[in-house]
Amino acid sequence: DAGVIQSPRHEVTEMGQEVTLRCKPISGHDYLFWYRQTMMRGLELLIYFNNNVPIDDSGMPEDRFSAKMPNASFSTLKIQPSEPRDSAVYFCASSLFIQENQPQHFGDGTRLSIL
Amino acid sequence: KQEVTQIPAALSVPEGENLVLNCSFTDSAIYNLQWFRQDPGKGLTSLLLIQSSQREQTSGRLNASLDKSSGRSTLYIAASQPGDSATYLCAVRNSGYALNFGKGTSLLVTP
Repeated sequence: DAGVIQSPRHEVTEMGQEVTLRCKPISGHDYLFWYRQTMMRGLELLIYFNNNVPIDDSGMPEDRFSAKMPNASFSTLKIQPSEPRDSAVYFCASSLFIQENQPQHFGDGTRLSIL
Repeated sequence: KQEVTQIPAALSVPEGENLVLNCSFTDSAIYNLQWFRQDPGKGLTSLLLIQSSQREQTSGRLNASLDKSSGRSTLYIAASQPGDSATYLCAVRNSGYALNFGKGTSLLVTP
């Protein structure tokens, strides 16, 4: 089975540009999570969806960040305008139900550099 | 707010040694605890998940234990191999759905 697929793997862009990160969760999983990893703060949850509906976006740093899940097999995380402090690795994860014994499965991440 | 701490931050051992990685958390009202492995430039691979009602889980050379009352978990790796070199992350889930991660332990196993 294919795992969580993220694109692009690497993104380098200049400050002020719009950045769109993409994620395809594992088929059949009904929870999708976006995380950000930095050296200073480690891994932090940004937002998660259940059945394509955003449930908790309290981790989204500011209004420049937005996330959508138009269908069960696709989600985007958009940053507009981007800033150098947004440079990080962004991970998408999916899970089958949210019960005690269900692990979250992670993609390989998108390494984002804002110059 | 749940705080997750992993000690040590880095560890170097010769091949063949048994080793223990530590994870502590401040809020004992957890749903589960998960151990992940992260290789450089890669995503996270789930190694073991311990439910709140369990005390330990085993997979091959890996054994993870959970003591909720003291807010501690350990990951035991038996007969370490160079291929075990990676960063190991502990993550705790409370009543919400977010995983609260530690900063990880960077492990190097030398031949």
